[in-house]
Amino acid sequence: KAGVTQTPRYLIKTRGQQVTLSCSPISGHRSVSWYQQTPGQGLQFLFEYFSETQRNKGNFPGRFSGRQFSNSRSEMNVSTLELGDSALYLCASSEGHPTDTQYFGPGTRLTVL
Amino acid sequence: AQTVTQSQPEMSVQEAETVTLSCTYDTSENNYYLFWYKQPPSRQMILVIRQEAYKQQNATENRFSVNFQKAAKSFSLKISDSQLGDTAMYFCAFMKRTNNAGNMLTFGGGTRLMVKP
Repeated sequence: KAGVTQTPRYLIKTRGQQVTLSCSPISGHRSVSWYQQTPGQGLQFLFEYFSETQRNKGNFPGRFSGRQFSNSRSEMNVSTLELGDSALYLCASSEGHPTDTQYFGPGTRLTVL
Repeated sequence: AQTVTQSQPEMSVQEAETVTLSCTYDTSENNYYLFWYKQPPSRQMILVIRQEAYKQQNATENRFSVNFQKAAKSFSLKISDSQLGDTAMYFCAFMKRTNNAGNMLTFGGGTRLMVKP
């Protein structure tokens, strides 16, 4: 099976802009989670989607949002970008039960100038 | 809330030797899962090993094994016969066992392991 894929791999944006990141899960996986990785804060959970519904949410401002489509692909959106949003955004998929192992994609490196 | 602590920011080991990475966690939960993930310089996070808290037997996966001490809330990773390809960031992670609240990983700060030839 193909692994988790994320597009684009690299993005450069300026403050105030918005950005959309995409994640395609492993075939058959119905849950998609998003994480932000920064040198200062480490890996932090953003949110999880299952069957097109947000099932869990981390402690991030409302500028961070996401959605999931009927084919389980997911997108996350960040509006009004700030310098501190520069990070590696990782997507992970699992089969769907809350205790299933998560498998990660390669990430999208977002740089905000 | 759960916290995961990795007290060794960096470690190095000679090729073919054994190294142990430490992880401690704090939780009031009784049912949970623990993981070690590896993130090589190419950035793709890879699952190394998974441990169910209700299982007393320590998980093993080829050269990788864990020492799970539930009472002490300790979950260390032992890498035997270290190889150059083991060079990576290693993250310890915690996941609460739930039925419907979704799965969420809480990560430690990571340990950067360098395997030297």
